[in-house]
Amino acid sequence: EIVLTQSPGTLSLSPGERATLSCRASQSVSSSYLAWFQQKPGQAPRLLIYGASSRATGIPDRFSGSGSGTDFTLTINRLEPEDFAVYYCQQYAGSPFTFGPGTKVDIK
Amino acid sequence: EVQLVESGGGLVQPGGSLRLSCAASEFTFRTYEMNWVRQAPGKGLEWISHISIGGSTKYYPDSVKGRFTISRDDAKNSLFLQMNSLRAEDTAVYYCVRLYTSSSGKAFDIWGQGTMVTVSS
Repeated sequence: EIVLTQSPGTLSLSPGERATLSCRASQSVSSSYLAWFQQKPGQAPRLLIYGASSRATGIPDRFSGSGSGTDFTLTINRLEPEDFAVYYCQQYAGSPFTFGPGTKVDIK
Repeated sequence: EVQLVESGGGLVQPGGSLRLSCAASEFTFRTYEMNWVRQAPGKGLEWISHISIGGSTKYYPDSVKGRFTISRDDAKNSLFLQMNSLRAEDTAVYYCVRLYTSSSGKAFDIWGQGTMVTVSS
């Protein structure tokens, strides 16, 4: 089983700042099968990034993904008020298709 | 609008059974792999089942293997999750999720609103 670890657990930032979220896999994951999701309270998750770096439809370009192998990063440039949420990474390289534990981005 | 709508959640006693349904609309359901993902109250996301196009291949994590069964009815644009031998730790919101595949990769691109399952006596 591929275990995903996300850091930090919580990131406290102000609007306008940059957020850098990390996702580390216990073994190498093909970039094609690494995705990032945003979830706000009471809502279903929303796909942000797939294939490690491709933005999903309708996702603003302040969101970007990078990385390969075991280390992946989600960057949010110039945080907007609506960006404060929990972010999950997920791998679809092999069953079980695991999620990371999430990073909460909250307002400082 | 592309949409997934779950139903069938509710309160069930430990050891009981429940069948969840997911109705798909505004996309060609039969051409997509589908999944179920759950989220316990205040916790993270847990993938719990996958079904291939056509339904011949199914995957489950160990936490539900042998108790849960995923199925699909392409004629009715519907996905199902039969849950047996339910435990308190199965209490969660259950999401129906579409798997998108492209040359850039795969990802869960469309999520339903979720249906709550509570296992309690």
